[in-house]
Amino acid sequence: AQSVTQLGSHVSVSEGALVLLRCNYSSSVPPYLFWYVQYPNQGLQLLLKYTSAATLVKGINDFEAEFKKSETSFHLTKPSAHMSDAAEYFCAVRGRPDNFGNEKLTFGTGTRLTIIP
Amino acid sequence: GAVVSQHPSRVICKSGTSVKIECRSLDFQATTMFWYRQFPKQSLMLMATSNEGSKATYEQGVEKDKFLINHASLTLSTLTVTSAHPEDSSFYICSAREGPWSEETQYFGPGTRLLVL
Repeated sequence: AQSVTQLGSHVSVSEGALVLLRCNYSSSVPPYLFWYVQYPNQGLQLLLKYTSAATLVKGINDFEAEFKKSETSFHLTKPSAHMSDAAEYFCAVRGRPDNFGNEKLTFGTGTRLTIIP
Repeated sequence: GAVVSQHPSRVICKSGTSVKIECRSLDFQATTMFWYRQFPKQSLMLMATSNEGSKATYEQGVEKDKFLINHASLTLSTLTVTSAHPEDSSFYICSAREGPWSEETQYFGPGTRLLVL
């Protein structure tokens, strides 16, 4: 089984400050890990994904995340927060395939990021 | 990037009626589509996985007779909420994937907000 824990349901940072959103995972198979962003009343947009290549993954809008197997973590960072970064962020882990070969995503509970002007 | 649309974006219906939500992949053929449900300020919960031309695979606790899923073509999947009740009010999000998991990402639709009165 797989699970994702996002520490901190709400995170507030000042504009221009470092953004750090935490994600820890549990997986019975080598994990594929994802970060998604959701703006109000919208679907999810992929920020970045880790698929067993480089442990430091760069995504859109200057976000990046580092896979640390020893810590079972995949924290999301951005050097300088922008007002437009205010949104809900979800970490997700891929699971085992079902009988059709579909590998489902398990999402964390999300972290709401607020940017302080 | 790949685009997934949903229609309608918002629907209000009376208790006891049925509501159909469409999910379309606009610029790719989706062999697999996923339907999620999201309660306010909570994460996405997978409801079912549908493969084109096959019956949907429902997650434990999801009533297949209440949430009818049809994936009749490679670009369209529908979710019908039958005999809707107020507790069915939620944000429904679909995602679509083109090919084998290791190569393809799930692309999410913008969601459909259902309110049952």
